[in-house]
Amino acid sequence: DSGVTQTPKHLITATGQRVTLRCSPRSGDLSVYWYQQSLDQGLQFLIHYYNGEERAKGNILERFSAQQFPDLHSELNLSSLELGDSALYFCASSSGLAGGLQETQYFGPGTRLLVL
Amino acid sequence: GESVGLHLPTLSVQEGDNSIINCAYSNSASDYFIWYKQESGKGPQFIIDIRSNMDKRQGQRVTVLLNKTVKHLSLQIAATQPGDSAVYFCAEPGGYSGGGADGLTFGKGTHLIIQP
Repeated sequence: DSGVTQTPKHLITATGQRVTLRCSPRSGDLSVYWYQQSLDQGLQFLIHYYNGEERAKGNILERFSAQQFPDLHSELNLSSLELGDSALYFCASSSGLAGGLQETQYFGPGTRLLVL
Repeated sequence: GESVGLHLPTLSVQEGDNSIINCAYSNSASDYFIWYKQESGKGPQFIIDIRSNMDKRQGQRVTVLLNKTVKHLSLQIAATQPGDSAVYFCAEPGGYSGGGADGLTFGKGTHLIIQP
């Protein structure tokens, strides 16, 4: 158990809909990262938040957005869903205290999204 | 951008034997590499990491070797056990045009199968 929690575990929705995925980082971690894992694209970095502020973006679509709240949990919002958005969505956390050095990212169990 | 690729998609070994999983990277400036293990239905689990100022690093039953000359790293698992069956990914920070220096770029993964 990494200490990172994600809800829900599974989500089934229809095209055009909007969903919100939730992540709670390990206790004390300030950084949260979101990743998407699909069969054709593999594991891809989406976005990084540090202590409530967006730090970096990866391959995130404009239909997707995220935020990190004062209690450090994060939400990933996916809107106007398409069939191709079906994937596993992982969040990871790190302490955020390394001052620029790379830190270990610890992954949650993921949310499996199925868009029908 | 940078890429981290794996040589073999599937590796089958006998229980008790040693396993070697290989990974090539393209960015000679990369200075940090991580190995993750992903079991079916779970999120990636950190195994071991190595920085570019090292050639070798050992953990419990695992060793990572880094050859900067040929831009290659390997994960060696000693005395493999059934619980080692999983997909193994090498990863490195960066490689995203949006400036995601902290987001990890993952290789495609090697599926390690342990035969009884």
